[in-house]
Amino acid sequence: DQQVKQNSPSLSVQEGRISILNCDYTNSMFDYFLWYKKYPAEGPTFLISISSIKDKNEDGRFTVFLNKSAKHLSLHIVPSQPGDSAVYFCAAPSPNFGNEKLTFGTGTRLTIIP
Amino acid sequence: DSGVTQTPKHLITATGQRVTLRCSPRSGDLSVYWYQQSLDQGLQFLIQYYNGEERAKGNILERFSAQQFPDLHSELNLSSLELGDSALYFCASSVGVYNQPQHFGDGTRLSIL
Repeated sequence: DQQVKQNSPSLSVQEGRISILNCDYTNSMFDYFLWYKKYPAEGPTFLISISSIKDKNEDGRFTVFLNKSAKHLSLHIVPSQPGDSAVYFCAAPSPNFGNEKLTFGTGTRLTIIP
Repeated sequence: DSGVTQTPKHLITATGQRVTLRCSPRSGDLSVYWYQQSLDQGLQFLIQYYNGEERAKGNILERFSAQQFPDLHSELNLSSLELGDSALYFCASSVGVYNQPQHFGDGTRLSIL
């Protein structure tokens, strides 16, 4: 049962444009979400998070939006840069365990075209 | 550099065998997490240790076990290996017991022939 879903396995975006990565979840008990970025041959790196008490969190070029009614969150990167080419995972902590037990989506491979 | 060290980077073995994956957490981090990433899957949480004690358990098979030693390094033992165990195994660490895994190692790629 995939409780966190990233339905787009890949996305290509022109450099300088906006990249929008999407994530859907099924468990309405999730109240905190995280995005991780992963380069080839490296482990994931924490990027940005959002609590369910907010609908937006911004950190530089990265903004995460949360739509609780739609059980949907998205990561916006603007402007996109070549170094943003990576696989992006959304994740949510288990309501029963908290941050120590994260459920990850399958990832979206973002390619920034120079 | 995340500061989390995993060895070996690659491991090739046969079905029925046993392997040990090793993880050294980032300096100062007391929590260690193990995750498995199979082909086209998201990372699956296996187990967490905090300061030597098991803290949380995920979808870890009975053939798998882990421990965290007094120097805080951790080992994941996989036995009676099956073809389906081929995956990337990531270790992550964080400072506290309730923190999300902050720093991931580069993973160990396990291939079962």
